[in-house]
Amino acid sequence: AQTVTQSQPEMSVQEAETVTLSCTYDTSESNYYLFWYKQPPSRQMILVIRQEAYKQQNATENRFSVNFQKAAKSFSLKISDSQLGDTAMYFCASPFTGANNLFFGTGTRLTVIP
Amino acid sequence: DTGVSQDPRHKITKRGQNVTFRCDPISEHNRLYWYRQTLGQGPEFLTYFQNEAQLEKSRLLSDRFSAERPKGSFSTLEIQRTEQGDSAMYLCASSGTGYLNEQYFGPGTRLTVT
Repeated sequence: AQTVTQSQPEMSVQEAETVTLSCTYDTSESNYYLFWYKQPPSRQMILVIRQEAYKQQNATENRFSVNFQKAAKSFSLKISDSQLGDTAMYFCASPFTGANNLFFGTGTRLTVIP
Repeated sequence: DTGVSQDPRHKITKRGQNVTFRCDPISEHNRLYWYRQTLGQGPEFLTYFQNEAQLEKSRLLSDRFSAERPKGSFSTLEIQRTEQGDSAMYLCASSGTGYLNEQYFGPGTRLTVT
């Protein structure tokens, strides 16, 4: 079975601090992509960062970076210098290989406190 | 390019009525996806089109649900004889067929069945 698990339903962080959101997954595939999506309150989902499983180097996009541990099937998101606009639901997702749809985790609600 | 759009944004209907939602993907995208998102959960895949062909349907898509993409552009999702359990956010996404197949999401249609 291909699954994505997010074990932190809610998290909070002080503005300007760093926070890490966890994601684990299960797949028998060896090559796949992993994504973190952000869904702000009442707004549409947008892609934050992507990681290709065959790349050992962790992806980075400005203040967002991932810690990808392929053997452990772990894909965490680190947000540095948190901003109020980072308040949102964050979803970890993957199409795995051969799937045309995304498998999503249940999400982590992040609140940035001023 | 204005992104993926969905109409209506909100729909309230009485149990037993039929409803239809529309999705307009990004113009150059030939893949279109429908997802359902219930409160506190991540999106769940419903169905997928490549051009006008419906290539995959989830078991979540009961006989009361039908989706079309007649000319490979916009898509409609119809729910017949709505039930209270159909209350959810219905998300549409589109993508190209290129590398990573990144999906771009619309704002969603929130359905409330009373």
